[in-house]
Amino acid sequence: GAVVSQHPSWVICKSGTSVKIECRSLDFQATTMFWYRQFPKQSLMLMATSNEGSKATYEQGVEKDKFLINHASLTLSTLTVTSAHPEDSSFYICSVDRVPYEQYFGPGTRLTVT
Amino acid sequence: AQTVTQSQPEMSVQEAETVTLSCTYDTSESNYYLFWYKQPPSRQMILVIRQEAYKQQNATENRFSVNFQKAAKSFSLKISDSQLGDTAMYFCAFMKQSNTGKLIFGQGTTLQVKP
Repeated sequence: GAVVSQHPSWVICKSGTSVKIECRSLDFQATTMFWYRQFPKQSLMLMATSNEGSKATYEQGVEKDKFLINHASLTLSTLTVTSAHPEDSSFYICSVDRVPYEQYFGPGTRLTVT
Repeated sequence: AQTVTQSQPEMSVQEAETVTLSCTYDTSESNYYLFWYKQPPSRQMILVIRQEAYKQQNATENRFSVNFQKAAKSFSLKISDSQLGDTAMYFCAFMKQSNTGKLIFGQGTTLQVKP
């Protein structure tokens, strides 16, 4: 069965609004989760590491104020895209390190900004 | 910095035949892991196979096997007896042992299995 879930699977929002994406670890407690971004037919790029109880660690070039990450509990991390613009349209995927050196990925969230 | 390169954007293979996907990487790390992930049209990332750099023996998982050449920094994936369900995008990925969870992906290879 699924190990990691994401909600919503697809969201459409208007330019200038904010949208929140949830990532849940279903069967174990995760102190660390990871957020990736994937453009159509392209590779996955790590955006940030979500740390339970502390601030997220962002990769170089990722705007902290635009992509807010909150690791509210050991099973939930959220990614909020603030003041979204069409160029933020993408596929966002979270992952969990359930087994050391073996990532389990969520099903992804497609964000479309109009 | 680590980089992962997949030089074959697209490949096709006939059902039941064998295909090899190429991957090269660059790193100065001694301890790391290499992966092949499959992303079917559903876009769910699925782990195909994992190789620990300290192991000389090539990893195998049923019809999937790798050819790990550490000195050459090469990590190819062989799919035997290809099935229609193998049609997907395949990503080669690198992870430092000291940085568990952080994957660096190659550009991907789209594989089409033809009936």
